Amino acid sequence: AAGVIQSPRHLIKEKRETATLKCYPIPRHDTVYWYQQGPGQDPQFLISFYEKMQSDKGSIPDRFSAQQFSDYHSELNMSSLELGDSALYFCASSLGLKQGPRHEQYFGPGTRLTVT
Amino acid sequence: AQTVTQSQPEMSVQEAETVTLSCTYDTSESDYYLFWYKQPPSRQMILVIRQEAYKQQNATENRFSVNFQKAAKSFSLKISDSQLGDAAMYFCAYRSMGGATNKLIFGTGTLLAVQP
Repeated sequence: AAGVIQSPRHLIKEKRETATLKCYPIPRHDTVYWYQQGPGQDPQFLISFYEKMQSDKGSIPDRFSAQQFSDYHSELNMSSLELGDSALYFCASSLGLKQGPRHEQYFGPGTRLTVT
Repeated sequence: AQTVTQSQPEMSVQEAETVTLSCTYDTSESDYYLFWYKQPPSRQMILVIRQEAYKQQNATENRFSVNFQKAAKSFSLKISDSQLGDAAMYFCAYRSMGGATNKLIFGTGTLLAVQP
């Protein structure tokens, strides 16, 4: 079965640079979530999109922005990178709430971002 | 706001033995979901088991079962016949049912070691 695809899998950037992370949800999934997992920490919710509209927002810095496109893939744009942005960034996808509350979130393999 | 607490940073179990991981949560909602996710060294987030709060019956998935105590806001995971492949970080997670948000709120995790 198709899974959530994230690219790139690894990314190394320098401070003050920008980075773009991409997420391709499971086919037919219309909801995408982004989570950030720092070293030795639990995943923290950043932002989610349903049908290309932002549906919820968590602890996402103003330097970050995200969007969901017409094909439901999503991109997380990160600017003015800081050392503290080094983390594993997960994307998850699910069917939307309007289709029922039971739908699971399926996680991608994550993008490991290292800021030097 | 909802919170999830895992008070055991690390646990160890002998192969073929049984281990129980603890999780407590705080919420004012009456309907919600609880999950256990497994994160092996590959860092992939894998759903282990799910419990709907409106169901009194404890969920089971093969060697994995939960003890859900709604009044006590407790949600422990029991792993029977532990295998070397069960060694991983285990996260307890909460998700509201309904409403605009479907985000997962994670605990800080329990690192499980399985001794041969």
